[in-house]
Amino acid sequence: NAGVTQTPKFQVLKTGQSMTLQCAQDMNHNSMYWYRQDPGMGLRLIYYSASEGTTDKGEVPNGYNVSRLNKREFSLRLESAAPSQTSVYFCASSTKHSNTEAFFGQGTRLTVV
Amino acid sequence: QKEVEQNSGPLSVPEGAIASLNCTYSDRVSQSFFWYRQYSGKSPELIMSIYSNGDKEDGRFTAQLNKASQYVSLLIRDSQPSDSATYLCAGPFGSSNYKLTFGKGTLLTVNP
Repeated sequence: NAGVTQTPKFQVLKTGQSMTLQCAQDMNHNSMYWYRQDPGMGLRLIYYSASEGTTDKGEVPNGYNVSRLNKREFSLRLESAAPSQTSVYFCASSTKHSNTEAFFGQGTRLTVV
Repeated sequence: QKEVEQNSGPLSVPEGAIASLNCTYSDRVSQSFFWYRQYSGKSPELIMSIYSNGDKEDGRFTAQLNKASQYVSLLIRDSQPSDSATYLCAGPFGSSNYKLTFGKGTLLTVNP
């Protein structure tokens, strides 16, 4: 049982390049999330998807776009990467919004130079 | 004000002591809270969830929720060096309770 799978695990981008971080879950979860984690800042919510077909902004959405491709997959796109987007990105999923555990992927360490 | 405020620490306790971690939150509507543990370089993992006022115990861990004061805490009894990690509190916020929001985390070090 893979759980939540993120790809890639590591990535180095040049400023201005674009890329898409992929996330897939095999637990039949309704809700999915994208977070970034920076030293001293905790986990900050970028975007979330309460259910298939819906997406909403979180705390730090600027510079990112998301797509809930289907129930399993939730991708995060950086259209024009900036050094400020250097971070560790985590995808997570949960069965429903309020009373259940969120499971996390292994993270993507992104460096923008 | 952030939805979840957490004493960022760091917190250092000797082995066998009680470690106390605290969070306050801003939304009175929130009904459930979670404590996650994150080892360095790893993903967060859930260790406790609490949905009602009072205490919830699971082994050496006790979560406490006080909705009137809008705070949630985690006590770790008989702390072990393996408990050394960052602890994050989280709760669902927003008009539909879909925003799972985390505090900044508290780094706990348990000294042998």
